Amino acid sequence: EAGVTQFPSHSVIEKGQTVTLRCDPISGHDNLYWYRRVMGKEIKFLLHFVKESKQDESGMPNNRFLAERTGGTYSTLKVQPAELEDSGVYFCASSHAPGPTGELFFGEGSRLTVL
Amino acid sequence: GENVEQHPSTLSVQEGDSAVIKCTYSDSASNYFPWYKQELGKRPQLIIDIRSNVGEKKDQRIAVTLNKTAKHFSLHITETQPEDSAVYFCAAREALYDKLIFGTGTRLQVFP
Repeated sequence: EAGVTQFPSHSVIEKGQTVTLRCDPISGHDNLYWYRRVMGKEIKFLLHFVKESKQDESGMPNNRFLAERTGGTYSTLKVQPAELEDSGVYFCASSHAPGPTGELFFGEGSRLTVL
Repeated sequence: GENVEQHPSTLSVQEGDSAVIKCTYSDSASNYFPWYKQELGKRPQLIIDIRSNVGEKKDQRIAVTLNKTAKHFSLHITETQPEDSAVYFCAAREALYDKLIFGTGTRLQVFP
């Protein structure tokens, strides 16, 4: 079974540019999460999709971040325009079931460097 | 909302020694506490978890303990090996919304 895949693995852009990160969850997983880790800090929650609906987007930093999950399959996270503080590793995770039994399966992350 | 604190941030041990990582959480309604291991350049992976109706769980060389009254939980690794070297994250599932809140991570180095 294929795991959670993320693309690109690393992106280097200049401040003000746009970047789009993509996540393909494990097939059949309705729950999809985006997290971000800034160097040395926690893996911080950004948002949660259930199928194509945003269940919780309370962790999105500001309106420069836009996440979509059209058709309830893959998801994209767009940062426009990027700022220096957006640098970090963006993780996507998926799970089959919500609640205590829903183990999160992570992707390998997309490292974003904003210069 | 839930807040998770994790200590220490770095931990160095000699091979064969034990390692303990501690976490505290703030939301008494949280009911699920997983631990993830992230090796260098790889994805975080679940290594052990504990639910709030259990005080301790063990899987070979790793164990997790939970004290609901004090709102803290710990990861114990015995007989450490060099391949245990990684960053370990604790997490708590926020009861109100279905999401994991993570700690800041502990970088464990096991020296041969």
